Amino acid sequence: NAGVMQNPRHLVRRRGQEARLRCSPMKGHSHVYWYRQLPEEGLKFMVYLQKENIIDESGMPKERFSAEFPKEGPSILRIQQVVRGDSAAYFCASSPATGWGTEAFFGQGTRLTVV
Amino acid sequence: AQSVTQLDSHVSVSEGTPVLLRCNYSSSYSPSLFWYVQHPNKGLQLLLKYTSAATLVKGINGFEAEFKKSETSFHLTKPSAHMSDAAEYFCVVSDQDSGTYKYIFGTGTRLKVLA
Repeated sequence: NAGVMQNPRHLVRRRGQEARLRCSPMKGHSHVYWYRQLPEEGLKFMVYLQKENIIDESGMPKERFSAEFPKEGPSILRIQQVVRGDSAAYFCASSPATGWGTEAFFGQGTRLTVV
Repeated sequence: AQSVTQLDSHVSVSEGTPVLLRCNYSSSYSPSLFWYVQHPNKGLQLLLKYTSAATLVKGINGFEAEFKKSETSFHLTKPSAHMSDAAEYFCVVSDQDSGTYKYIFGTGTRLKVLA
């Protein structure tokens, strides 16, 4: 059973371009979480999705950021018109269920650099 | 609202000496608590989790943590540090705050192990 797969591992974008980050959860997992980690900081919650539904997006910036988790295929975190401040590591996690005691499994992250 | 405070941003120990990484949490509900480790430029690996079966939780690589409700603490310990333990450690809380379960991270403690 492969772990959580994120691609690309590294992504370089010029200011104003779009960034698409992909996350394939572990097999059998229908819950996906996205986090952002700025240099020398902890992971900040962005969004929690189940298949075809956004459950909690309280950590998502109001503009330029969106996420989806379609019925088929990976979850996508999309950043439009990137700015230098978007440079960070973005981690995806998945879990088989939600609830007390359920652990999340993390991918290796996508490191976004905006030049 | 749930939150996690990691009291030390950096901890240095000599190889073979005990490790103590401190974590205090705030939660309106009975929380699940986790410790994750992140090696440089890698993803996050679960060390251990607390789910009320026992207040002293044993994890991988000789780590353990004790849940103390009266002190709202979940400190991570290891009797004898190894060079390979050098990494960033995150304390994480999860409960049904705001009606959904998500994982809230502390700011992390960077552990340095001296030869």
